[in-house]
Amino acid sequence: DSGVTQTPKHLITATGQRVTLRCSPRSGDLSVYWYQQSLDQGLQFLIQYYNGEERAKGNILERFSAQQFPDLHSELNLSSLELGDSALYFCASSVGGSPPGELFFGEGSRLTVL
Amino acid sequence: GQQVMQIPQYQHVQEGEDFTTYCNSSTTLSNIQWYKQRPGGHPVFLIQLVKSGEVKKQKRLTFQFGEAKKNSSLHITATQTTDVGTYFCAGGGKLIFGQGTELSVKP
Repeated sequence: DSGVTQTPKHLITATGQRVTLRCSPRSGDLSVYWYQQSLDQGLQFLIQYYNGEERAKGNILERFSAQQFPDLHSELNLSSLELGDSALYFCASSVGGSPPGELFFGEGSRLTVL
Repeated sequence: GQQVMQIPQYQHVQEGEDFTTYCNSSTTLSNIQWYKQRPGGHPVFLIQLVKSGEVKKQKRLTFQFGEAKKNSSLHITATQTTDVGTYFCAGGGKLIFGQGTELSVKP
């Protein structure tokens, strides 16, 4: 158990819909990362937050947005869903700082868009 | 932007053989991390390297960070079936991940 909690574990929805994925970081960790992992693909960096502020952005689509709340949990919002958005979405947390330090990954949220 | 490339994509070995995966970055990295993802699981941190030319060992695993801090390698001696999984390197402040090397071990 990494201490990072992601919900839901599985989600099936239709094209055009909107979903929200939630992540609770490890106690004490200030930094949250979101990654997308498609079938046979690596981990695509989406976005990072540190203590409520956006710190770094990757190849995150405009249809996607995220935020980190004062209690440090984070949400990833995916809208106008397309078939290609089907993937495993991982959240990871770390203490933060530079260098980043060990990332602790959640179990992931598997999104299926039909 | 920063890119991290990993080779090979797949490696099939007989149990007891050695295995090496290589990681190359398009830019100088402040640090490199290595993760292992078992089939159906999530990535698990193995190690972080920050110094030029650094070499670290964990039992049968040896990690190296290049002198120019643009490449790294993971070497496993005498693979076991428990080594099966995908090995990822990740580098830089954003922790950009490579595509991973999937290792399969035949008993």
